[in-house]
Amino acid sequence: KAGVTQTPRYLIKTRGQQVTLSCSPISGHRSVSWYQQTPGQGLQFLFEYFSETQRNKGNFPGRFSGRQFSNSRSEMNVSTLELGDSALYLCASSPLVGVGYTFGSGTRLTVV
Amino acid sequence: GESVGLHLPTLSVQEGDNSIINCAYSNSASDYFIWYKQESGKGPQFIIDIRSNMDKRQGQRVTVLLNKTVKHLSLQIAATQPGDSAVYFCAENIGEGAQKLVFGQGTRLTINP
Repeated sequence: KAGVTQTPRYLIKTRGQQVTLSCSPISGHRSVSWYQQTPGQGLQFLFEYFSETQRNKGNFPGRFSGRQFSNSRSEMNVSTLELGDSALYLCASSPLVGVGYTFGSGTRLTVV
Repeated sequence: GESVGLHLPTLSVQEGDNSIINCAYSNSASDYFIWYKQESGKGPQFIIDIRSNMDKRQGQRVTVLLNKTVKHLSLQIAATQPGDSAVYFCAENIGEGAQKLVFGQGTRLTINP
């Protein structure tokens, strides 16, 4: 059974640019959430999607957005990149709420 | 505010000994808790979970204890092995019907030979 797949694994962008990250959940999983991990702030929740609807959003500026497609695949977008957006972005999927959330290996974003 | 904290940032144990990693959470309404292990360059790996209607759950070499009275969670790893070296995070789900995990800062577990 394939795990959660995130692409790309590494990305280098310039300040002011925008970036789109992709997440393919485990087959059958309908809940997909995104987290940002930095050494200073740790793991922080960005947003969660279920059946193409955003159900929860974390405390991040509007530059961070996401969406989910009918096949449960999800993308997140960060516009007008800042140096502080450099982080490991992780996606997690689960079949239901309250059932172990499985993480992907993440996308390492570096903003220069 | 929303936070899940850990008592120790680092823990060093001898191979073969038992390890106990502690965590304090802040949201008394949380009903689902998870322990994750993260190795360098990888995403968090699910270890074990527990719901708020339980106070203990056992897995293979791991046990999670939940004390709702003092909002405390612990992970016990029996007979630690070199492969157990990693950063361990506790997380609570505060999503109220949706997935929204709040993570602690993590404890780095080092296994000495």
